[in-house]
Amino acid sequence: SAVISQKPSRDICQRGTSLTIQCQVDSQVTMMFWYRQQPGQSLTLIATANQGSEATYESGFVIDKFPISRPNLTFSTLTVSNMSPEDSSIYLCSVVHMDSYEQYFGPGTRLTVT
Amino acid sequence: QQQVKQSPQSLIVQKGGISIINCAYENTAFDYFPWYQQFPGKGPALLIAIRPDVSEKKEGRFTISFNKSAKQFSLHIMDSQPGDSATYFCAASNESASKIIFGSGTRLSIRP
Repeated sequence: SAVISQKPSRDICQRGTSLTIQCQVDSQVTMMFWYRQQPGQSLTLIATANQGSEATYESGFVIDKFPISRPNLTFSTLTVSNMSPEDSSIYLCSVVHMDSYEQYFGPGTRLTVT
Repeated sequence: QQQVKQSPQSLIVQKGGISIINCAYENTAFDYFPWYQQFPGKGPALLIAIRPDVSEKKEGRFTISFNKSAKQFSLHIMDSQPGDSATYFCAASNESASKIIFGSGTRLSIRP
């Protein structure tokens, strides 16, 4: 398995501001993903974080709103830009190890936008 | 075609009973089917997973049954315990995509 940490664990932000969420893994992984989970709902994939290149976004998510960086094999950031109350959600980082399909999730960042 | 349909939405089981959650998929390219367990305030945790070359996989009290022809798979929790109360997600992915498609989730409550 992998030990994944996320910072911050939660935050309350004002409308129109931006928040950057960090994801750190304790070992090198092939793939890193960012998900969003509304309370009581399933997980929705935002994007795949690619090392050294632009992230690959899913339908409905754009780089201007959710810029992502992945400078190396163990670290990634997700920024939620120009936030609105609709962005209130849990944001989860996940990783896939180099030699397996297995995907592991971080503890999540609970974001509330007021 | 990318959907994974999960049922029931919620489930209440008596302690010691068997909890059964069902999922169905359409994309025959899927070749990896994990189940995740999520407690409130925590990220999903990988519970058990199966590949389509076997019809069943068992780990302790948790068993996945897989029916390739029907494109269905299910999670069975034997001797269910109050500590099993959580939300369970089935999922599917394929090797080339590595993206996991999640079911809608099942909120399981085990009554003492």
